[in-house]
Amino acid sequence: GQNIDQPTEMTATEGAIVQINCTYQTSGFNGLFWYQQHAGEAPTFLSYNVLDGLEEKGRFSSFLSRSKGYSYLLLKELQMKDSASYLCAVKDSNYQLIWGAGTKLIIKP
Amino acid sequence: DAGITQSPRHKVTETGTPVTLRCHQTENHRYMYWYRQDPGHGLRLIHYSYGVKDTDKGEVSDGYSVSRSKTEDFLLTLESATSSQTSVYFCAIRTDREAGELFFGEGSRLTVL
Repeated sequence: GQNIDQPTEMTATEGAIVQINCTYQTSGFNGLFWYQQHAGEAPTFLSYNVLDGLEEKGRFSSFLSRSKGYSYLLLKELQMKDSASYLCAVKDSNYQLIWGAGTKLIIKP
Repeated sequence: DAGITQSPRHKVTETGTPVTLRCHQTENHRYMYWYRQDPGHGLRLIHYSYGVKDTDKGEVSDGYSVSRSKTEDFLLTLESATSSQTSVYFCAIRTDREAGELFFGEGSRLTVL
């Protein structure tokens, strides 16, 4: 079966750095997405990785290792507004998205 | 970014009644999707469309039907709502950018009593 694993919840301090991990077992791989979802709102696109390595976008970076079936989202200089759920999704061999259940990130002052 | 609106945004209904949720986009994107989101689960695909009158089932399609008679509108129908269909429903379009990321509507919260 296809599976995406993320921690259910993480807590971090304002100004710090946090890494949210995602591991996947899917039938094929055609890219990995990270989305942010604030409570009561729609998911919004953060990043896309299709090749191994690190993609940096401002305070957010996303890393992919296809051989390990592993990705992480790195958030630097955490702000209170970063409190949200972070969703990992993999595009499988049929170009369908398989979604993780999301990681709820709590930022404390 | 694409403009997507969902209606209604909130609905409370009773078991056994039909319900239709509407998704409207303004930029002629070919692919449209209906997902449901429940606590402890990832987004789960109900149905998707790849063009006018072209639709296909997702992983949780039982009890749901869809129609797409115009490019801009994608309707999700629950023929006879059940309490297990209480959920938040998101419509999405696939963007034309290289990654083909999804852009989501605001969501429709449905409660079936």
